[in-house]
Amino acid sequence: GAVVSQHPSRVICKSGTSVKIECRSLDFQATTMFWYRQFPKQSLMLMATSNEGSKATYEQGVEKDKFLINHASLTLSTLTVTSAHPEDSSFYICSAGDRGLKHYGYTFGSGTRLTVV
Amino acid sequence: SQQGEEDPQALSIQEGENATMNCSYKTSINNLQWYRQNSGRGLVHLILIRSNEREKHSGRLRVTLDTSKKSSSLLITASRAADTASYFCAAYRDDKIIFGKGTRLHILP
Repeated sequence: GAVVSQHPSRVICKSGTSVKIECRSLDFQATTMFWYRQFPKQSLMLMATSNEGSKATYEQGVEKDKFLINHASLTLSTLTVTSAHPEDSSFYICSAGDRGLKHYGYTFGSGTRLTVV
Repeated sequence: SQQGEEDPQALSIQEGENATMNCSYKTSINNLQWYRQNSGRGLVHLILIRSNEREKHSGRLRVTLDTSKKSSSLLITASRAADTASYFCAAYRDDKIIFGKGTRLHILP
């Protein structure tokens, strides 16, 4: 089945630095990628949707200059948390899908736990 | 914004019993999906039910969908300790998947 590889699984960074999270679709072309954030004991909140070759569409309240999303190829999307602060500490999960197969569900990465100290 | 609301928020049952979780959503959907998440881990896709379907089975899982009430239920039969996890419904609409708040299920030995 479809596999999405997300790296790193855990990262600790200092406040003020930037962190890049990668999400790769291994055996299919991901025309659409979603990025979610999840705080402890809460649900997944959609941050942004990106389509290959296009600018990402951000959900209301998500700062596009802080959470930079790049989806330059059909197999790779990246989320960069710029100038990270402790309140950005969270679990970030990507989801990838092929628009042609959209009714068959999307595949999720294993998540990245970001801790900003 | 979240599409779905699950209830209960938390559920503890004895091993072997059936667990039922409900999900309500606000707008029309293309399909509804259920996911499981073990603590601190990624999501596992359990089952997808399309808007024109009313019931679907997969192993010990049974999902129903009532589009007139904008609600869905997930039934896990003969629960096992390994079923302890958080369960989320997720509504697919307008090329987005929006998650509900989730139910934390705890299976007691």
